[in-house]
Amino acid sequence: KAGVTQTPRYLIKTRGQQVTLSCSPISGHRSVSWYQQTPGQGLQFLFEYFSETQRNKGNFPGRFSGRQFSNSRSEMNVSTLELGDSALYLCASSLGGALDTQYFGPGTRLTVL
Amino acid sequence: AQKVTQAQTEISVVEKEDVTLDCVYETRDTTYYLFWYKQPPSGELVFLIRRNSFDEQNEISGRYSWNFQKSTSSFNFTITASQVVDSAVYFCALILRGSGGSNYKLTFGKGTLLTVNP
Repeated sequence: KAGVTQTPRYLIKTRGQQVTLSCSPISGHRSVSWYQQTPGQGLQFLFEYFSETQRNKGNFPGRFSGRQFSNSRSEMNVSTLELGDSALYLCASSLGGALDTQYFGPGTRLTVL
Repeated sequence: AQKVTQAQTEISVVEKEDVTLDCVYETRDTTYYLFWYKQPPSGELVFLIRRNSFDEQNEISGRYSWNFQKSTSSFNFTITASQVVDSAVYFCALILRGSGGSNYKLTFGKGTLLTVNP
C-alpha cells in the first residue's frame, strides 16, 4: 500500500507570492489533515478535510486555505506569503480523522525569502 | 485552555540505557485523548500510541511503555534498552472533542529530541 505523498518536497518563494501544496492520502482514507511545523511555534494543526468538506480548523489566518477533491487528494494554499510562513508543512491521512491512527507524509519544506 | 508541556527539550543517552520522556497536560475537559508521535530525521511523524481519558491502563509494546496518570496529568513514555534507531524527536499531543461530534481541538507539545549514542 502506497504511503502518503506530498509534492513538492521543497519550495522557495518570495514574500507576497502564493503557493499551493499537494497531498495524496493512502488509498481508502477519507480524512486529510494539514500541519505546520516551525522551530518557534512547533507543530500546529491547520485544518482537516473529510469527504471534500473542511471539518476542523486550527487558529490560522484566512490566508491559509485548502480543499479536498473527490479522490481524497488535498491541496493547501497560502496566499500573500510572509517570512513567518517558512515551515515544514505536513499532511496526514486517516480513515476517520485525528482520533484515528494518522499516517504522515514526508512534508513540504517551504522557504519564503 | 489546553496545554501540553514536554519539559525535556533534549535528552542524550548511551545505547542500552532506559530513558523516560515526560509529558504533562492541562485541560478541564473530562474526555480527551493523548498521543505520542515519533519524528525521525526523515521528517515523517509516526504514530506510536493513543490513549483516551477513561483508560488509565499502562501499555507496553516491545521496548516501549507508557504510564498514564490522571492524578498528575501525565502521560510519560519510556524506552527500555534504547537503540540508536530510537534517535528522533518525540511529540506528545492532546485532543479535546468539541461540540458537534467530529469537531476537536488539537495541541502538540514542543517535542523532546532524543539522541541515543552508540
